[in-house]
Amino acid sequence: AQTVTQSQPEMSVQEAETVTLSCTYDTSESNYYLFWYKQPPSRQMILVIRQEAYKQQNATENRFSVNFQKAAKSFSLKISDSQLGDTAMYFCAFMNRGGSQGNLIFGKGTKLSVKP
Amino acid sequence: DAGITQSPRHKVTETGTPVTLRCHQTENHRYMYWYRQDPGHGLRLIHYSYGVKDTDKGEVSDGYSVSRSKTEDFLLTLESATSSQTSVYFCAISEGGGYTDTQYFGPGTRLTVL
Repeated sequence: AQTVTQSQPEMSVQEAETVTLSCTYDTSESNYYLFWYKQPPSRQMILVIRQEAYKQQNATENRFSVNFQKAAKSFSLKISDSQLGDTAMYFCAFMNRGGSQGNLIFGKGTKLSVKP
Repeated sequence: DAGITQSPRHKVTETGTPVTLRCHQTENHRYMYWYRQDPGHGLRLIHYSYGVKDTDKGEVSDGYSVSRSKTEDFLLTLESATSSQTSVYFCAISEGGGYTDTQYFGPGTRLTVL
């Protein structure tokens, strides 16, 4: 069974600075996706970024980028130039592309506070 | 915006009563999912659907049933609600035609069982 671990329950960062959120996962599969989702106080789950395991290049989306280390089973999220609107819970998630359900396995989340 | 709505958005009910939550999508997606979110657990899959009248169980399916009689609607039913089912419920769709495409979520339903 796959597991996803987010070891930082809470983090804070000053506005305009950079912060990195950690995520590790455990799987014996080779074909999978990894995701970061953001959940602001509105409760909406918002996709931040997606990484395909077969791609060596790290995914980026504007101020968000990942550091994907497949051998180490690590998938961290870097937020550059942090903004107040980045304040949210961030969830790391795993999807086995070879599975029968296509369901996401989530970590427990990291609460990020961006301070002015 | 993946065109997903959930109703109701909030509900308070009493132990032992039946409850049905509705997920509605407007973009003809084949795969739909129900998750629950609890503190300290992230989101966990309850049931999913891979087409009209085609559903299967997820990780935490006990006490829940689902139905999908139309492509656009996926219903989650708690036959006899218990306090342990107090949670936030999210519906999701799989973006492409396959079940391993990116999932997008509805706004959630907060259910409180007294």
